[in-house]
Amino acid sequence: GDSVTQMEGPVTLSEEAFLTINCTYTATGYPSLFWYVQYPGEGLQLLLKATKADDKGSNKGFEATYRKETTSFHLEKGSVQVSDSAVYFCALSDNFGNEKLTFGTGTRLTIIP
Amino acid sequence: GAGVSQSPSNKVTEKGKDVELRCDPISGHTALYWYRQRLGQGLEFLIYFQGNSAPDKSGLPSDRFSAERTGESVSTLTIQRTQQEDSAVYLCASSLEADSSLGYTFGSGTRLTVV
Repeated sequence: GDSVTQMEGPVTLSEEAFLTINCTYTATGYPSLFWYVQYPGEGLQLLLKATKADDKGSNKGFEATYRKETTSFHLEKGSVQVSDSAVYFCALSDNFGNEKLTFGTGTRLTIIP
Repeated sequence: GAGVSQSPSNKVTEKGKDVELRCDPISGHTALYWYRQRLGQGLEFLIYFQGNSAPDKSGLPSDRFSAERTGESVSTLTIQRTQQEDSAVYLCASSLEADSSLGYTFGSGTRLTVV
């Protein structure tokens, strides 16, 4: 079945550091890929997405590129801020008319000033 | 409303009791989803509704779990005869249509603790 594996946290970085959170997936066919973010005290919200190979999703300075050859969708940001502290979830949709998302376990990110 | 609202935010119950968890989706969102997250695990799909019908109930872990939706609005997830392994955060999400590429809007969840 479909699965998503993302790097375990917690991850702690200093402000303005470069961020990478790894995500790899297993799926049949050509899934759509997503990153969701959960800020403290809030619900999960969609951060970015990519629906086909080589697409790059971007939002709020974050980027992720759909790499079919390595089945990966790593999340990156060049210079993190304290306000980026949150839990990040990688997810996929298998696009076979099955509208449920398969999520990774989440990575807690803490940015220190 | 402005977002997806879930109640209660926290629930502690004794093993064997029944619990009801409520979700108010964003007005006009036809699709509604229930997930749960156990400690240290990813989000686990439970059920989704398109309108008031549930095309996919495959994720419900046992017949102790049931869900309904009325008026294409509020949904209730009911867990009967709760067990300790039911302890988790139960998340509700909604979207305009049952198309995951649109992205879901999640509520803040109900943290259920079975003692």
